[in-house]
Amino acid sequence: DAEITQSPRHKITETGRQVTLACHQTWNHNNMFWYRQDLGHGLRLIHYSYGVQDTNKGEVSDGYSVSRSNTEDLPLTLESAASSQTSVYFCASSEEPDYNEQFFGPGTRLTVL
Amino acid sequence: GQNIDQPTEMTATEGAIVQINCTYQTSGFNGLFWYQQHAGEAPTFLSYNVLDGLEEKGRFSSFLSRSKGYSYLLLKELQMKDSASYLCAVLDSNYQLIWGAGTKLIIKP
Repeated sequence: DAEITQSPRHKITETGRQVTLACHQTWNHNNMFWYRQDLGHGLRLIHYSYGVQDTNKGEVSDGYSVSRSNTEDLPLTLESAASSQTSVYFCASSEEPDYNEQFFGPGTRLTVL
Repeated sequence: GQNIDQPTEMTATEGAIVQINCTYQTSGFNGLFWYQQHAGEAPTFLSYNVLDGLEEKGRFSSFLSRSKGYSYLLLKELQMKDSASYLCAVLDSNYQLIWGAGTKLIIKP
């Protein structure tokens, strides 16, 4: 069965360190998204990609970067982790066109000390 | 600015019916989604409305009024497993999903 996976599921890091969160999907979807979810807020879009070599900034992209070298993977990098980036991170993918449902990974809980 | 409002928390009784409302103000509209999210898990798709009216899918129905910027999710014959957060999201003019903060639904026996 097709799926979308994230790793690690839990991560504790220190302020200033670079952190990369992995996202891998076997749906063969062109569209991939990274969100963060914080208490009291809706899901907020960090970065998204509509295909290989395509990346776009979302609502809360400062301090984050992504790269898309193949269809299956969209790793999210925190260049210099800050305590404000403590959150739960979800990766999602969808089939074109944009009004199709998004399939979410299980999430990564990141704590920045 | 863009805004999606839904109640923070609701409580209902097993076997009953509950309606979760969502109002939105967004730059453009290309459809409204409802997702279910159990605690500690990922959101999962429930419904998509782009035209006015009611869409029924088993025990769950979703209604949309574009002129009023309003939607609701109706859950019938509530079961304990329906205890979850319900997320409303609007696809705006740039085809970006704008998410509400979610409504936590507590089901009591």
